[in-house]
Amino acid sequence: AQKITQTQPGMFVQEKEAVTLDCTYDTSDPSYGLFWYKQPSSGEMIFLIYQGSYDQQNATEGRYSLNFQKARKSANLVISASQLGDSAMYFCAMSSPRAGNMLTFGGGTRLMVKP
Amino acid sequence: GAGVSQSPSNKVTEKGKDVELRCDPISGHTALYWYRQSLGQGLEFLIYFQGNSAPDKSGLPSDRFSAERTGGSVSTLTIQRTQQEDSAVYLCASREGVNEKLFFGSGTQLSVL
Repeated sequence: AQKITQTQPGMFVQEKEAVTLDCTYDTSDPSYGLFWYKQPSSGEMIFLIYQGSYDQQNATEGRYSLNFQKARKSANLVISASQLGDSAMYFCAMSSPRAGNMLTFGGGTRLMVKP
Repeated sequence: GAGVSQSPSNKVTEKGKDVELRCDPISGHTALYWYRQSLGQGLEFLIYFQGNSAPDKSGLPSDRFSAERTGGSVSTLTIQRTQQEDSAVYLCASREGVNEKLFFGSGTQLSVL
């Protein structure tokens, strides 16, 4: 079975600073995908970034980057230059063929950006 | 439509009643997922449809929950004899391929009184 763990239930960051949200995963499947989603107070789920297990380089999307450390089974999200609009819940998720391609989510981290 | 559409957006029902939640995925997306999110919690997987394969029902919490996907497109999640603990936001999502991102609908907020 695959499992996603987000150990930080809540985090504060000062506006304009960078922040790292932790995510570790557990799977025996050599092929898998890792995702990060943002959920603001409106409730919608917004896709941020994707990393494939065979990708050689860390994924980046604008101010978002994924610090992928395969040996440690971690996929931390780094948000640079935090903005007030970044305040939201952030979910890490994983999908693998062995799990039937089901997307499994972590428990989430609530990020609060301070002005 | 351009995105995943869910209806109704809000549903209030009495304990013991049946409810049906609808999801219209993005056209061409072969995979469809249902998740449940209780207040302040993460996403709990319910059921997954992939093309014409048998659905993965491993996340359904009880036999009061069922779902179907007609014609490989629209899906309906049915909850029979609703209980107060069924109150949550029910999210539907679809995607085109295995390692493609999931597109989520805006959810149905279910309240069981």
